[in-house]
Amino acid sequence: KAGVTQTPRYLIKTRGQQVTLSCSPISGHRSVSWYQQTPGQGLQFLFEYFSETQRNKGNFPGRFSGRQFSNSRSEMNVSTLELGDSALYLCASSLAPDGLGNNEQFFGPGTRLTVL
Amino acid sequence: AQTVTQSQPEMSVQEAETVTLSCTYDTSESDYYLFWYKQPPSRQMILVIRQEAYKQQNATENRFSVNFQKAAKSFSLKISDSQLGDAAMYFCAYGGGADGLTFGKGTHLIIQP
Repeated sequence: KAGVTQTPRYLIKTRGQQVTLSCSPISGHRSVSWYQQTPGQGLQFLFEYFSETQRNKGNFPGRFSGRQFSNSRSEMNVSTLELGDSALYLCASSLAPDGLGNNEQFFGPGTRLTVL
Repeated sequence: AQTVTQSQPEMSVQEAETVTLSCTYDTSESDYYLFWYKQPPSRQMILVIRQEAYKQQNATENRFSVNFQKAAKSFSLKISDSQLGDAAMYFCAYGGGADGLTFGKGTHLIIQP
């Protein structure tokens, strides 16, 4: 079974631009979560989608948004990029949404975003 | 909000020896999950082991085992017979609330040949 895939793997943007990252979960997984990983803040939860609905959202500004499609693929968008948005963005998929039993999340390889 | 603390930023162990990574957490929930994830230099996060809080028996997966002390809110990972391939960042994570997984800052494990 194929794992979680994320595209693109690397991205360079400049301040003020916007970016869209994509995540394809493991087949059959309906829950997708996004995390931001930086050396200073570590891994921080961005949001979770299940059945095309955002279930949970972390403490991030409104510039960070996401969506999920009917095939469970998810995208996250960051508008008006800032230097501090440079990070590794990880996507994880699971069978069930967080808090409802099987919390085992399978992570993708991440998208490395650099904002210049 | 839940918090997860890993007090050891870096640990070093000789190949074939045993090492224990520490993790404490804070929660007011009674039902939750705890995880150890491994992130090798390739950056792909891999689940090492998981523990359901309602299970008193400590989880084991081959050379990896945990010491789960619910009352003390402690969840340490023991790696036996350390191998060079075990070198990675190890993250302790809490799951079960409405905020996704909460991760600790990580422990960088070095395996000395």
